[in-house]
Amino acid sequence: DAGITQSPRHKVTETGTPVTLRCHQTENHRYMYWYRQDPGHGLRLIHYSYGVKDTDKGEVSDGYSVSRSKTEDFLLTLESATSSQTSVYFCATSGGETQYFGPGTRLLVL
Amino acid sequence: DQQVKQNSPSLSVQEGRISILNCDYTNSMFDYFLWYKKYPAEGPTFLISISSIKDKNEDGRFTVFLNKSAKHLSLHIVPSQPGDSAVYFCAASRLGNAGNMLTFGGGTRLMVKP
Repeated sequence: DAGITQSPRHKVTETGTPVTLRCHQTENHRYMYWYRQDPGHGLRLIHYSYGVKDTDKGEVSDGYSVSRSKTEDFLLTLESATSSQTSVYFCATSGGETQYFGPGTRLLVL
Repeated sequence: DQQVKQNSPSLSVQEGRISILNCDYTNSMFDYFLWYKKYPAEGPTFLISISSIKDKNEDGRFTVFLNKSAKHLSLHIVPSQPGDSAVYFCAASRLGNAGNMLTFGGGTRLMVKP
């Protein structure tokens, strides 16, 4: 598996505060992704990146922004957290057809 | 509109028997399919994949079958083991699409009873 770490692994925050989640990879993969997983919905793509400073929106991008200033790091920011953004967030990377996932970040917005 | 569907949210089988997990898709442009396995509190791990030029791919106890005319794929696990208990996601892709994006089904929770 690709070396993918996510930080923090758990976070509790309050509604209206900004939150940034970090994904770090050591595989030099070109593509990086942020998903959220919610019961009954599987994995839904929030944003993805196809290179440094090259990003695009996924299926559920409202309320989220991303940045990729280095190949190895992909940041997901919740600009003003809402309770509907309580979820488990997964980062993934890909150098070809297969995506490899990080361990996830469990976010609770109170 | 869900393009990839796993209609069984859960499946229970006896240890040693066959587990069959099903997945249906609607987009005929999909030409690459993957299965992921997910344990609680961990990220999904890649299990097996199949290209649309094949109808079967096997890796040890895991076999994926693809029926393009029915837009249906299935994952067979033989024999099933208690350690196979997990949530299984199928995913589909169009090879060469910008971003190498995958579309996931909602998952099936497999429980293998000793």
